[in-house]
Amino acid sequence: AQTVTQSQPEMSVQEAETVTLSCTYDTSESDYYLFWYKQPPSRQMILVIRQEAYKQQNATENRFSVNFQKAAKSFSLKISDSQLGDAAMYFCAYKRGNQGGKLIFGQGTELSVKP
Amino acid sequence: DAGVTQSPTHLIKTRGQQVTLRCSPKSGHDTVSWYQQALGQGPQFIFQYYEEEERQRGNFPDRFSGHQFPNYSSELNVNALLLGDSALYLCASSIRALGNTIYFGEGSWLTVV
Repeated sequence: AQTVTQSQPEMSVQEAETVTLSCTYDTSESDYYLFWYKQPPSRQMILVIRQEAYKQQNATENRFSVNFQKAAKSFSLKISDSQLGDAAMYFCAYKRGNQGGKLIFGQGTELSVKP
Repeated sequence: DAGVTQSPTHLIKTRGQQVTLRCSPKSGHDTVSWYQQALGQGPQFIFQYYEEEERQRGNFPDRFSGHQFPNYSSELNVNALLLGDSALYLCASSIRALGNTIYFGEGSWLTVV
């Protein structure tokens, strides 16, 4: 069975600094997707960035980028130039590459941003 | 373009009662999934609907059931509510042919007393 592990329950970063959130996963599949979702206090799950396993290039979305290490089954999220609005719970998620399919989430990392 | 919408946003039920939660997927999306998120935890997959049929199910008892309508909207029903059913219920929609884009609604907060 696939699993997703986030080993950092809480992280803190100074405004304008860079922070990296860690995620590891376990799967025997070769075709899958990885996601980072942000969940602010409003509790809506917002897609931050996604990575297709077949792509070697790391995904980037503005200030957000990932370090995808397929062999190590690691998928970390880097937030550059952190802003107060980045404070939220961040979830790493895995999905098999077949049509449909469920998301498997980690336990989350709560990020606080200090002004 | 409306995103995923869910109703109600908050509700309180008594143990043993039944509840129905509703979800309208993002325009153009044909697949709806439901997740349960207990406080302090990551969401857990309940089930997924496509073409009005349950396609995949997580480790939830039969008290949890659902339905998808021809317009792709969906309902989640929970019977014989337990205190442990108190959680945020999230609806997610996607296009089945595209496996990599999944959007969530704002969720329905269920409190069982």
